[in-house]
Amino acid sequence: DGGITQSPKYLFRKEGQNVTLSCEQNLNHDAMYWYRQDPGQGLRLIYYSQIVNDFQKGDIAEGYSVSREKKESFPLTVTSAQKNPTAFYLCASSIMVQGGPAFFGQGTRLTVV
Amino acid sequence: AQSVTQPDIHITVSEGASLELRCNYSYGATPYLFWYVQSPGQGLQLLLKYFSGDTLVQGIKGFEAEFKRSQSSFNLRKPSVHWSDAAEYFCAVGQERLQGAQKLVFGQGTRLTINP
Repeated sequence: DGGITQSPKYLFRKEGQNVTLSCEQNLNHDAMYWYRQDPGQGLRLIYYSQIVNDFQKGDIAEGYSVSREKKESFPLTVTSAQKNPTAFYLCASSIMVQGGPAFFGQGTRLTVV
Repeated sequence: AQSVTQPDIHITVSEGASLELRCNYSYGATPYLFWYVQSPGQGLQLLLKYFSGDTLVQGIKGFEAEFKRSQSSFNLRKPSVHWSDAAEYFCAVGQERLQGAQKLVFGQGTRLTINP
């Protein structure tokens, strides 16, 4: 079955450490996205990518970094510069035909301890 | 800038009752509109989408939504809810498409509780 796989489901990090969240898709989608979700809030866009080796900042990119070395993969690194990293992180992908909806992974819950 | 407002943070309905979840958007042109559903600790599942054409769109799980340009609304409806419909519902609008990516702006969500 085609889909988006995020791993791990739960992640704990000590303050001051970088951590990388994995996102893999086998939908053959060109575009991939990372969103952050906080309790009682909607999703906010962190980064997105439309093609391999290219990506753009979203609305809340500070303290995060990404790479897109393969079409199928779009890992997100939460750096120590992110002041409040505890959140639920969602990866998504879409085709780039006008209006193509985004399909989401199951999310990674990151907790800073 | 685009924005989405879901006025109701939490709604409780009885099983078998009808449901309407409100969504208002702010966007200069004809928007791309979506409704997603999220179960606790899970990702988002697409319920339905509106791009153009018929303003009443049908989705999965018996949901439908109506686009009303004059009211800048895209309300989600279901004639008879089931206990399994309890979840968080998000309305989203597609931003200006820069080089093809579909950047979404989400509302804050409406949490739906079903009374037996």
